This record gives sequence, C-alpha cells and structure tokens, in this order.
Amino acid sequence: EVQLVESGGVVVQPGGSLRLSCAASGFTFDDYTMHWVRQAPGKGLEWVSLISWDGGSTYYADSVKGRFTISRDNSKNSLYLQMNSLRTEDTALYYCAKASGYSSGYMDVWGKGTTVTVSS
Amino acid sequence: DIQMTQSPSSLSASVGDRVTITCRASQGIRNDLGWYQQKPGKAPKRLIYAASSLQSGVPSRFSGSGSGTEFTLTISSLQPEDFATYYCLQHNSYPPTFGQGTKLEIK
Repeated sequence: EVQLVESGGVVVQPGGSLRLSCAASGFTFDDYTMHWVRQAPGKGLEWVSLISWDGGSTYYADSVKGRFTISRDNSKNSLYLQMNSLRTEDTALYYCAKASGYSSGYMDVWGKGTTVTVSS
Repeated sequence: DIQMTQSPSSLSASVGDRVTITCRASQGIRNDLGWYQQKPGKAPKRLIYAASSLQSGVPSRFSGSGSGTEFTLTISSLQPEDFATYYCLQHNSYPPTFGQGTKLEIK
C-alpha cells in the first residue's frame, strides 16, 4: 500500500524555523516527483513546492520562495521541507503528496498532513 | 502563473440531484486538469485526471469534461457521501494551481 506520513509540525514563533519530514513507503520513491501542499485553517489548497525524482529540480510558490527549501533523501525514502523566517500566514496543515506517473504536476497520493502553527 | 477560477464557491443540493462545478483557466491548459474531493479533516482524494478520466475506484456518477480553458465536474445523482469540498488542479505548467474550491452542502 502506498503511504505517506508527515511529521515535524509544531507551534513556532514568527521568525522561527522548522523542518517537516515525509516518510514514503509502498512505492519506488526515487521514481517520482514529490510535492508539498498546504491548507490554512478554513481555506483552500495551496501548492507550496515540488522536487524532481533526483532532487535536481525544485520549484516554489512565490509566497515561500527564499524562505523554504525542499529536499529529499532517496536512500531513506524521505522528503523534507525546511521552513525559515516563518510568518503567521504560514500557519497551515502541510501535506506531502506524490506525483502521478502520468504527470509530474498531478498529485495522486496524499499523506494525512502535519500542522504548523506560527504564533507568538 | 495560470489562474484557476472555480465556480460556484458553494452549492446546496439534495440527494439525487445532478450538479455541475466549473473551472476556468486563465490560459489554455490542454486537458491537464484534475479534480479532487476533500471531506472535513481528511486529505484530498483524487477523482478525475486528464480532465475526463475517472480514477480507479471512483463511482461512475462522477464525470469530467473540457479542454483548453473550460472544464466541468458533474455528479449525476448526488449521494449522501458526496457532500464535500471539490477542487480542480491545473498541472499543465509550473506552478501547479488549484481552484478556490466548491463546498457542496445538503439542502
């Protein structure tokens, strides 16, 4: 069974840093692009970042560019999101998602999410 | 970036009704569009890919259509379990962008 399990979400002060992790299982992790998508409380889905299968290409939403860094460790079947200079507007449920085999931009499997709260 | 405009933002309907949700892209995206269903407290679930292809295991009352800039998700006969929020996603070009969502509520 394909499974994604996020972790690392906590309450952090504005300006602080945090690293999210996503543990993948049930598929050949290094075959697929991976994404982070977030959802602020009561709001819609917002794509955050993606990383290619080999880590060679990364993309970011304008709202996080220069503050967040996506990375992966294919030897550990793990995806990461380093979040720096956090703002209150970064408060959200963060989902890890696997890209489909048919399109790297389409997410076919999602984790249950991890909650990040940025508050003083 | 490609903007996705989804309508309506909310919709009240009854069990058995036929409902249609629309997404419009700010520029042509061929058929690079997917639809997701999200229930409260749950992760999004894929329904449709390539604008009109039904994901395995999704009931046939769900269908998608469209190409270019206008797309629709239709539920032919609403069931109680279909009351949820629906999102479209364009993946024709980076960044991928979601519609604002349509909350489908029981009338």
